[in-house]
Amino acid sequence: QKEVEQDPGPLSVPEGAIVSLNCTYSNSAFQYFMWYRQYSRKGPELLMYTYSSGNKEDGRFTAQVDKSSKYISLFIRDSQPSDSATYLCAMKVNNQGGKLIFGQGTELSVKP
Amino acid sequence: NAGVTQTPKFRVLKTGQSMTLLCAQDMNHEYMYWYRQDPGMGLRLIHYSVGEGTTAKGEVPDGYNVSRLKKQNFLLGLESAAPSQTSVYFCASSYGLSNQPQHFGDGTRLSIL
Repeated sequence: QKEVEQDPGPLSVPEGAIVSLNCTYSNSAFQYFMWYRQYSRKGPELLMYTYSSGNKEDGRFTAQVDKSSKYISLFIRDSQPSDSATYLCAMKVNNQGGKLIFGQGTELSVKP
Repeated sequence: NAGVTQTPKFRVLKTGQSMTLLCAQDMNHEYMYWYRQDPGMGLRLIHYSVGEGTTAKGEVPDGYNVSRLKKQNFLLGLESAAPSQTSVYFCASSYGLSNQPQHFGDGTRLSIL
């Protein structure tokens, strides 16, 4: 079993929809949780970054972490065609050289 | 500000050939990383460095070597390329503290025939 599990999709939604992306994990030592967005033929770019449990909001994006359930989510409100990309969750343990463990990535397509 | 730059962007090799991938960052980051990305596997850490002159193994280090002779550069070497090393390789860098995010380059697409 992988340490971080993410549904690879693909996920297709109409423009304006609310998108929910999720990851589960097995290592209770993870403390830092990230969401990266990756456009085709580009490197991942950091979208959201949270520490421990709770919610974080940035514009149309909300990240949630539930450490008791080992479950993290990314919500995208009012989705746009420009949000079409692969979304990768990533996690790390404190004091391990910054090593990230990634999920497989979810491919999202927002149709006009 | 260039950020993280990877060279080359594309390369085709024959089995058994060797090559070096170069990563350069201009953000004065302490930590640097090499990942590979394969379909359905996400990104997997190959090697990383926590400072000039240091290197350490990641999740999938076999068949690769690395060097960090200068703080801004991190080299990934394939001594004898194998078809299983066909992948997209990403370099990343970050400041030294655990809570600092990693910044990625745009990748090197490597095919080994």
